[in-house]
Amino acid sequence: DGGITQSPKYLFRKEGQNVTLSCEQNLNHDAMYWYRQDPGQGLRLIYYSQIVNDFQKGDIAEGYSVSREKKESFPLTVTSAQKNPTAFYLCASSIGVRAGEQETQYFGPGTRLLVL
Amino acid sequence: GQQLNQSPQSMFIQEGEDVSMNCTSSSIFNTWLWYKQDPGEGPVLLIALYKAGELTSNGRLTAQFGITRKDSFLNISASIPSDVGIYFCAGQPWTGANNLFFGTGTRLTVIP
Repeated sequence: DGGITQSPKYLFRKEGQNVTLSCEQNLNHDAMYWYRQDPGQGLRLIYYSQIVNDFQKGDIAEGYSVSREKKESFPLTVTSAQKNPTAFYLCASSIGVRAGEQETQYFGPGTRLLVL
Repeated sequence: GQQLNQSPQSMFIQEGEDVSMNCTSSSIFNTWLWYKQDPGEGPVLLIALYKAGELTSNGRLTAQFGITRKDSFLNISASIPSDVGIYFCAGQPWTGANNLFFGTGTRLTVIP
């Protein structure tokens, strides 16, 4: 089945520790995105990538890092610099922006990160 | 980043009732999307709208792309218990934009 997978479902982080959240898609989508969701709030964009080996900061990139070495994969690292990392993290992908095309994003099941 | 104004924030309805929610923006959008999110899960795309004035249905769901391009509506007819969840709108500000703006969600509770 085509889709977006995220792992793990739940992740625990200790103080001062970096953790990496996985996102994989087999939809042959060029663009991938990471969002953070806090209770009662909408989604906020952390990073996005329109093509392999390229990525851009979103609205709340501080304390996070990403890589895009393969089209299928867009891992997110939550670094120790992120002081309030507890949240629900959502990965999304889309065909990608080309001239004249309109954007539809599809989401993975999410990873809930908790700080110990 | 901009967030869309979505209302109402929450709704409590009896099973069988119809539901209506909307999303507005101060600027023009070229795409409107409606998602449903169940607790602990990722949002699932319900309906995508690509043209001003467009009215699209998906089963009991109907959504419209406002003629001014600054708003969109989602209606659910004859609600059932599995409609419970949070409904988000999202908009693409212009064709070729690589980001979406999201509403803050409408939490729907259906009372059997």
